[in-house]
Amino acid sequence: DTAVSQTPKYLVTQMGNDKSIKCEQNLGHDTMYWYKQDSKKFLKIMFSYNNKELIINETVPNRFSPKSPDKAHLNLHINSLELGDSAVYFCASSQNKEGNEKLFFGSGTQLSVL
Amino acid sequence: RKEVEQDPGPFNVPEGATVAFNCTYSNSASQSFFWYRQDCRKEPKLLMSVYSSGNEDGRFTAQLNRASQYISLLIRDSKLSDSATYLCVVTGGGFKTIFGAGTRLFVKA
Repeated sequence: DTAVSQTPKYLVTQMGNDKSIKCEQNLGHDTMYWYKQDSKKFLKIMFSYNNKELIINETVPNRFSPKSPDKAHLNLHINSLELGDSAVYFCASSQNKEGNEKLFFGSGTQLSVL
Repeated sequence: RKEVEQDPGPFNVPEGATVAFNCTYSNSASQSFFWYRQDCRKEPKLLMSVYSSGNEDGRFTAQLNRASQYISLLIRDSKLSDSATYLCVVTGGGFKTIFGAGTRLFVKA
């Protein structure tokens, strides 16, 4: 069984479109995250949720809106996609919110905005 | 100064070589330290946690120097399968997990 699963794996879309990426974890973890990895391979946190509550919101355009219907799911919706949004987006989870436990990552969603 | 800085690499080494990666962090209040491994087009996976006393896992040894705010990873007897990007990871203030930019390792036959 996949511990952290995200869909789709690849997403190719036009500028200006709205798209969503879904993430689910079956580890019973309390905390989930969205990370962005750009073309330079730098992995940067975007959001963190603990038990459905937002605890980290980095400087991310408000076109990005995370939604956590329950602690096992954290989806990412992106409005008005721009070329610069092209990247790999990783969902992750951890047992707690303190950041001192290991992260389990999904396999990533490669977003290409044309 | 970046919060977590790593050797830029890439490191190109022959099989059997010993290779060391370094990492420095800026936040003296950082609490937890890790090395992750990321294969090409794959997700990062935990390689090992790093403790003040140093720790070893087979061919891999991690060291932490809190006074110098420095972390290292030593790989002995490199294998072809060790080729990957190695990410230094630190928990910063506010419980954020911060990733270094990674060091690319190529092990060649």
